[in-house]
Amino acid sequence: EVQLVESGGGLVQPGGSLRLSCAASGFTFSTYSMNWVRQAPGKGLEWVSYITSSSTTIFYADSVEGRFFISRDNAKNSLYLQMNSLRDEDTAVYYCARVGFWFAEDLWGQGTLVTVSS
Amino acid sequence: EIVLTQSPGTLSLSPGERATLSCRASQSVSSSYLAWYQQKPGQAPRLLIYGASSRATGIPERFSGSGSGTDFTLTISRLEPEDFAVYYCQQYGGSFTFGQGTKLEIK
Repeated sequence: EVQLVESGGGLVQPGGSLRLSCAASGFTFSTYSMNWVRQAPGKGLEWVSYITSSSTTIFYADSVEGRFFISRDNAKNSLYLQMNSLRDEDTAVYYCARVGFWFAEDLWGQGTLVTVSS
Repeated sequence: EIVLTQSPGTLSLSPGERATLSCRASQSVSSSYLAWYQQKPGQAPRLLIYGASSRATGIPERFSGSGSGTDFTLTISRLEPEDFAVYYCQQYGGSFTFGQGTKLEIK
């Protein structure tokens, strides 16, 4: 089955760190660029970070630049998001998404909830 | 950064009616890089349209996209009960941005 499964979410204090993982299966992960997208409770979608298939190009939303770091391990069919210096406003469901034709996200995981609170 | 503004914020229609959702960009967007998504409560978004007008795999023909430059439209020709959801447009122009969403609710 073609799918993405996120893990690693949870409750963390402001200033803390968390590492999210996204396990891909059912497709050739190493040939696709990937995104992280988040959604705060009751709010819209916000793009977070992008990485190309070979990790040669990476970029971030201004809101997370310098605090979040995206990476991938094609041998393990896995995508990661290292989140440091977490703030209350980082509280959201975090989705990993496959970037397909014309930079559209054609496959999404079910999301993992990150709650930043003291 | 390109800002996408969707209108209306909420659209109230009945099953069988036609829905027209708008997405306006703060500067010109390549039509190749404009997409539409549907999201239902508690679910991940689902890709409907890419390249402004191409339907994604498995998307019914009642969904269509159009537009160019700064004005794009998602049309649902005849609403089915399962179409009531939130819809987002998204563009890629060096980075990705989403519109704020249009909630399509049952009248």
